[in-house]
Amino acid sequence: QVQLQESGPGLVKPSETLSLTCTVSGGSVSPFYWSWIRQSPGKGLEWIGFIYYSGPTNYNPSLRSRAKISIDTSKNQFYLKLYSVTAADTAVYYCAREKYYLDPFDIWGQGTVVTVS
Amino acid sequence: ESVLTQSPGTLSLSPGERATLSCRASQSVSSNYLAWYQQKTGQAPRLLIYGASNRATGIPDRFSGSGSGTDFTLTISRLEAEDFAVYYCQQYGTSPLAFGGGTTVEIK
Repeated sequence: QVQLQESGPGLVKPSETLSLTCTVSGGSVSPFYWSWIRQSPGKGLEWIGFIYYSGPTNYNPSLRSRAKISIDTSKNQFYLKLYSVTAADTAVYYCAREKYYLDPFDIWGQGTVVTVS
Repeated sequence: ESVLTQSPGTLSLSPGERATLSCRASQSVSSNYLAWYQQKTGQAPRLLIYGASNRATGIPDRFSGSGSGTDFTLTISRLEAEDFAVYYCQQYGTSPLAFGGGTTVEIK
């Protein structure tokens, strides 16, 4: 079955860039939508944005100016970069799949903790 | 931007009891694209219900969803030990996708 695994540094300094990778195993990134979601005690679950396997993206306006999601279909991976981070970006970051546009998240990664300090 | 408000914040119940969780949207949820998730400590959320009332694959029939427009309900007919967790609603009908603040179902 399809599984997702997040990876990346657990500690990022303020003002630097948070970079995460989500690796998709047991299936292809095609033809699905792939999202990043984060969860912090202060803000609960927050959708960051998604990328379609062919490249189009959509972001939460609250993070659009600082977030960038990209994909590498040959590696079955997609990525998150979050620029100019602050302590408020400390959270558990999840990657997740939507089978279709405007669909619920049916598969989630286990999450990775990122601390900005 | 739609804001989802869940109530109550915490529900204290005993195994075998019925749980009723509420999710209210600040604007009508397009096409009733409303989902419910269960999250246990240290785990990712798990999809329970989509389209307001459809159970996801493998979800027991003691979980049911109802509602439309701005008011939605998740019902657990008879709580089992593994059902004590945090539950979130999510609207996926319009961007930005949004989650409610969660309801904790705890053992009384």
